[in-house]
Amino acid sequence: AQKVTQAQTEISVVEKEDVTLDCVYETRDTTYYLFWYKQPPSGELVFLIRRNSFDEQNEISGRYSWNFQKSTSSFNFTITASQVVDSAVYFCALSIPYNTDKLIFGTGTRLQVFP
Amino acid sequence: DGGITQSPKYLFRKEGQNVTLSCEQNLNHDAMYWYRQDPGQGLRLIYYSQIVNDFQKGDIAEGYSVSREKKESFPLTVTSAQKNPTAFYLCASSGLDTMNTEAFFGQGTRLTVV
Repeated sequence: AQKVTQAQTEISVVEKEDVTLDCVYETRDTTYYLFWYKQPPSGELVFLIRRNSFDEQNEISGRYSWNFQKSTSSFNFTITASQVVDSAVYFCALSIPYNTDKLIFGTGTRLQVFP
Repeated sequence: DGGITQSPKYLFRKEGQNVTLSCEQNLNHDAMYWYRQDPGQGLRLIYYSQIVNDFQKGDIAEGYSVSREKKESFPLTVTSAQKNPTAFYLCASSGLDTMNTEAFFGQGTRLTVV
């Protein structure tokens, strides 16, 4: 069975602080995809990144960076110099290709960035 | 603009009524999904469909029904058998090939039982 765990329920930081959101996943499949989505107060999920299981290179996109480590089954997300607009709920998700491709979500981490 | 449209944004249901949530996509995606979101529980899969006229139960299908008569449309009916339907419902779609597995989401429907 597949599972995604986001142990941090809520994180509060002050603007300009760096913050890391943790994600640990479980699967026996060797081929899988990992995702991060952002859910602002409007409710819609916004896609941030997709990473396949064969690509362990870390990725940076502006203030966002992702650290994928298969050895620890983790796919952590770091926001550098956080801003108030980063306040949202962030979801980590897992999908297994050729097996419905459905997304298995973690319970989300609510990030509050205070000015 | 390509995307997923859910309607209505807010829906109120009386006890014992069936209600249908609409989901339409123009992304030419084969797969469509319905998720339910409750506070503190993340998103849970209700139903999904990978092809027209076929759909599968997800983790919490009881009290719900769907249809997939057209590739673009995947309506969800919340029946009176669903004991606790108050929640936020999200529809998503994705391609099925390995290069296109990103799921796109609609803006959601907030259903409240009154």
